[in-house]
Amino acid sequence: DAEITQSPRHKITETGRQVTLACHQTWNHNNMFWYRQDLGHGLRLIHYSYGVQDTNKGEVSDGYSVSRSNTEDLPLTLESAASSQTSVYFCASSESVGTDTQYFGPGTRLTVL
Amino acid sequence: QKEVEQNSGPLSVPEGAIASLNCTYSDRGSQSFFWYRQYSGKSPELIMFIYSNGDKEDGRFTAQLNKASQYVSLLIRDSQPSDSATYLCAVNRGNQGGKLIFGQGTELSVKP
Repeated sequence: DAEITQSPRHKITETGRQVTLACHQTWNHNNMFWYRQDLGHGLRLIHYSYGVQDTNKGEVSDGYSVSRSNTEDLPLTLESAASSQTSVYFCASSESVGTDTQYFGPGTRLTVL
Repeated sequence: QKEVEQNSGPLSVPEGAIASLNCTYSDRGSQSFFWYRQYSGKSPELIMFIYSNGDKEDGRFTAQLNKASQYVSLLIRDSQPSDSATYLCAVNRGNQGGKLIFGQGTELSVKP
């Protein structure tokens, strides 16, 4: 069955380290999104991509980067992790045409000490 | 003003009752509307979407859209304890590609 996976599911790192969170989908969706979810803020969009080699900044993109070299993957990199980036991160994907329904991965809980 | 607003709750209803969850949005150009359910510690999962004014029913769930009032709601009939979760409203503004704007969610608690 087609699915969307994230790894790792849990990560503890130290301030200043570079961290990469993986997202992989097998639906062949063109659109992929990264969100963070914090108490009191709901889901906030970090970066998104509408296809290979396309990346765009969301509302909370500072300190994060993404790259899209194939349809299936959109890794999220924290260049220099900060305690403020402790959060739960969700990846989602959707078709480029049709309903815009986004399907979410299981999430990664990141703790920056 | 937030683009998509929901009461954070918690909304508490007895088992078997109708739960009514509400969402307002600010952009009149919004074209599609989604309800997601999120259990604690889990990822959001789609319940239903609606595009046109009026009601859309799927099992115990009914989505209602009123574009003139910029209001979308979700009714859950015969609420069950398993419906206890946070319900997220999301809106596609129509000129933003596939991006969705999410509300903060309403926590629903169904008491046996």
